[in-house]
Amino acid sequence: SQELEQSPQSLIVQEGKNLTINCTSSKTLYGLYWYKQKYGEGLIFLMMLQKGGEEKSHEKITAKLDEKKQQSSLHITASQPSHAGIYLCGADIDSGGSNYKLTFGKGTLLTVNP
Amino acid sequence: KAGVTQTPRYLIKTRGQQVTLSCSPISGHRSVSWYQQTPGQGLQFLFEYFSETQRNKGNFPGRFSGRQFSNSRSEMNVSTLELGDSALYLCASSSARLAGKETQYFGPGTRLLVL
Repeated sequence: SQELEQSPQSLIVQEGKNLTINCTSSKTLYGLYWYKQKYGEGLIFLMMLQKGGEEKSHEKITAKLDEKKQQSSLHITASQPSHAGIYLCGADIDSGGSNYKLTFGKGTLLTVNP
Repeated sequence: KAGVTQTPRYLIKTRGQQVTLSCSPISGHRSVSWYQQTPGQGLQFLFEYFSETQRNKGNFPGRFSGRQFSNSRSEMNVSTLELGDSALYLCASSSARLAGKETQYFGPGTRLLVL
């Protein structure tokens, strides 16, 4: 089973609408990262969350970490076509023996219609 | 500061061949991680190097190997290529890779097509 579940898998919104993407871990996570990817390209770092309850914003994108639920949500306010892309959450997950690995969700494909 | 660079950007190989991909991290970064991204499996962790030592390894067969040089540059090698190895290979660097404390910055990737 997927260690990091993202929902929804895809999202189509009208420009100006708000939206939320969720990321839930099945294991203890040490840090949660949000990235954006244009198809076939590298990942662009958006923000990193470390502590429960932490909330960060980058322009019109806000992410929050709920450590108890092992979950993070990414909110985009007043979406624009430039927000379109694939949003990936990643987390440092305990892989045993004091090791951890950066694990990613499958991504959420966001389309913003003008 | 220059970002993470990967070469080559595109590569076409045939089954059975081997391939070497290169990654130059951000100046000052000592940790380099490699990932494979495919439509079916998404982004999967291959391995991580820190100061020339492999610190962590994902669940990939031994055909996938890597190394890191003293200048932190890293190479990834795939031997006896299979069709399923066609993917976007991403490299990421960070200064220390402390769990939950260090951001990884990604390169543009190398797109490998195996025919």
